[in-house]
Amino acid sequence: NAGVTQTPKFQVLKTGQSMTLQCAQDMNHNSMYWYRQDPGMGLRLIYYSASEGTTDKGEVPNGYNVSRLNKREFSLRLESAAPSQTSVYFCASSRDRGDYEQYFGPGTRLTVT
Amino acid sequence: QKEVEQNSGPLSVPEGAIASLNCTYSDRVSQSFFWYRQYSGKSPELIMSIYSNGDKEDGRFTAQLNKASQYVSLLIRDSQPSDSATYLCAVFGGSNYKLTFGKGTLLTVNP
Repeated sequence: NAGVTQTPKFQVLKTGQSMTLQCAQDMNHNSMYWYRQDPGMGLRLIYYSASEGTTDKGEVPNGYNVSRLNKREFSLRLESAAPSQTSVYFCASSRDRGDYEQYFGPGTRLTVT
Repeated sequence: QKEVEQNSGPLSVPEGAIASLNCTYSDRVSQSFFWYRQYSGKSPELIMSIYSNGDKEDGRFTAQLNKASQYVSLLIRDSQPSDSATYLCAVFGGSNYKLTFGKGTLLTVNP
């Protein structure tokens, strides 16, 4: 039981390049989330998927797109990376949207030059 | 706008002491409260959840909730150097139905 997994662990992009961050969970959770964490800013929600087939914007969605591929997988895409998107990205999942506990993946450290 | 406030620290305690971490929140209709521990370079790890007023104990950890004062705290008894980490308070509830995190308190336990 791996919990929440993310790939890649590290990535360096040039400004304007695109990439997709992958996330998968094996806990049979319905809800999944993407956060970014920046020094002094804490964790901020980018997008979430309350259930398979639905996605909604979080606090900082600009510059990102998401796809809930199936119940297990939730990907985050940067179409045209900008230096402001340099951050650590965490995927999380919970049993349902609501007051259920969220469990985090190991994170992706992204640098945009 | 829902806010969760934590003292950024660092909070430094000697080994064996009680570490007290505090969190206040602004949204009165918040329902659920969580404490996450995050080691440097690692992901947040859920260590406590509390849903009703009072204390909840789990091993060396005690979470305390006072909804009237909009205050939640985490006590760590017999602190160990391995407890050195950033502790994130997270609050769920309100109309936007999302989990909001504080910026975290850095705890250092000195041997």
